[in-house]
This record gives sequence, C-alpha cells and structure tokens, in this order.
Amino acid sequence: QQQVKQSPQSLIVQKGGISIINCAYENTAFDYFPWYQQFPGKGPALLIAIRPDVSEKKEGRFTISFNKSAKQFSLHIMDSQPGDSATYFCAASEAGGFKTIFGAGTRLFVKA
Amino acid sequence: DAGVIQSPRHEVTEMGQEVTLRCKPISGHNSLFWYRQTMMRGLELLIYFNNNVPIDDSGMPEDRFSAKMPNASFSTLKIQPSEPRDSAVYFCASSADSFTDTQYFGPGTRLTVL
Repeated sequence: QQQVKQSPQSLIVQKGGISIINCAYENTAFDYFPWYQQFPGKGPALLIAIRPDVSEKKEGRFTISFNKSAKQFSLHIMDSQPGDSATYFCAASEAGGFKTIFGAGTRLFVKA
Repeated sequence: DAGVIQSPRHEVTEMGQEVTLRCKPISGHNSLFWYRQTMMRGLELLIYFNNNVPIDDSGMPEDRFSAKMPNASFSTLKIQPSEPRDSAVYFCASSADSFTDTQYFGPGTRLTVL
C-alpha cells in the first residue's frame, strides 16, 4: 500500500516531442506528489509538485496531471529537449507522515 | 546558500572497515534525511531527523548502520563493519519542516566496499 509504481523504466523521445511518465499509488492518505529530476552524478532536485485538490499544474514545459479517483498522476514534458535527458522520480507523502515514497525512476533520453 | 554539503564525495574501502559519511544541511532547515540509491532498489529512505531528533529509522538496513545529528548543522551516517552490498550512493537531504516541504538533496557520496 505504501508503494508508488512508476512507468516506463526508460523512455526515448525525439527533440520537440512530448515525454510522458506515469505513476500510480494505493495509499489514499497521500496528499503531496512531487516530481524530482536527477542528472548523472547529482542529487535529485524538485521539478514540480501537486496536491490532490487540483487536477493539473503547469510550470513552463512541465505539467502534472492528477487523477484522484484513479489514484494516478503523470508528468508531461512538452517540446522535450536534449537537456531534459535525466532520470525522473515521482514521489508521494502524507501530511504529518514520516516518509516520502519514491517511484523507481524513469530514465529519459531526448534525441537531438 | 551553498546547499546541502556532503563529504566525502567518493569513498572506497575494504570490507570490514568503518565508514563515516558526513552531511551539513541547509541553514535553518529543521528536517534531515539520509537516503541510499542503488540500481536494484532505487531511492530508499534510511532515517529521518526532525530538530536533531531521529524520528523514523525503520529504513536502516541493519545494526551495522547508525546515524547521529549532534546539532542542527551536522549529521553523520556510519557503517561498521562495511560489506560489499553496502556499495551505493548515499544522499543527504534537508527540508524546512516536514515531508511536504521541498527536500533539497546533496550531491551524494558514492561508496564502494571491496
């Protein structure tokens, strides 16, 4: 019940295309859903986050879509660029809880 | 701010040796986390401190692992004795308050146990 399932494991997208990464969770107490971006040799860094009171959040080329009834959320990267090539982690945590649960990660490669 | 600082960045040691990883969180942050990242298991939370007090250490794999936070600006993760299966990248992260605040990760320590 504590798991966050992330797919796909890896993704190759052409420059200018849309990258889509999906996550699903079981614990309905989760109420904070961040996405982290990690470049090789670096620590993860927060990219964008959403709370379940909204169905979508957009920041530049990055959009989170959230489906509370399906317990799913996804990251869309519009106009994907080679500089977006990184590993992306979805995560979930609950208010007052003690753990952020991370998905397994998606390695994105954007071809120039 | 310099961000979360970790040292050393790389550590190579022999099986059975003691390893100490160090972390300096962002000034003013009240929460500190230690994570381990491997290809097989992904990113795992080992322990979480709030106001220098360990709150949840259920992720610590064995008694060989211990963590301390003697003050708000310093934490250590110790492995004694180390084993080859401990080889991983260990991250320290800090946040202003709780899990629902942004966690700022350090650059990590790559540990190799031979």
